[in-house]
Amino acid sequence: AQTVTQSQPEMSVQEAETVTLSCTYDTSENNYYLFWYKQPPSRQMILVIRQEAYKQQNATENRFSVNFQKAAKSFSLKISDSQLGDTAMYFCAFTRSNAGGTSYGKLTFGQGTILTVHP
Amino acid sequence: EAGVAQSPRYKIIEKRQSVAFWCNPISGHATLYWYQQILGQGPKLLIQFQNNGVVDDSQLPKDRFSAERLKGVDSTLKIQPAKLEDSAVYLCASSPPRTGNRYGYTFGSGTRLTVV
Repeated sequence: AQTVTQSQPEMSVQEAETVTLSCTYDTSENNYYLFWYKQPPSRQMILVIRQEAYKQQNATENRFSVNFQKAAKSFSLKISDSQLGDTAMYFCAFTRSNAGGTSYGKLTFGQGTILTVHP
Repeated sequence: EAGVAQSPRYKIIEKRQSVAFWCNPISGHATLYWYQQILGQGPKLLIQFQNNGVVDDSQLPKDRFSAERLKGVDSTLKIQPAKLEDSAVYLCASSPPRTGNRYGYTFGSGTRLTVV
């Protein structure tokens, strides 16, 4: 069974600064995807970034980037130039895929990290 | 594209009553998931459908929870009878047949259930 662990229940950062959220996972699978989701009070899960396990290059999406360490089973999210709108709960999530990486399975989520961006 | 639709948005019931939630996934998404998210925790999978067949319901409390996906499109999740510990947000999500879509999973806004 897969497990995802987020060890930081809460984090805070000043506007325009950089913050890193931690995530570790445990799996025996070779083919999988990792995600970071943002959940504001509206409850809508919003995809922040996705990483394919077979790719060595770390994913980036504008101000968001990850540090994917496959051997260490670590997947941290870095938010640069933090904005007030980044305030939300952030979830790290894992899914295994098939050998070709072409289909998804169920998502397993971590416990979440509440991020507060202060003006 | 239209999002995943869920209703109702909020529901308050007394314990031992029954309740049903509805979900309409993204058109063309073969896989549908129901998650339970207790306040302050990450979502936990209750059941996964592939078209109208169940792929995984290992964490569904089958003595009180049931779910169906008619014709491989809409889905309903029912709780009967409800317990206080069922108070949570129930999220529905769907995913496309292949991973080429960079967004992967699409989530609805959820139903917040309060059992009193």
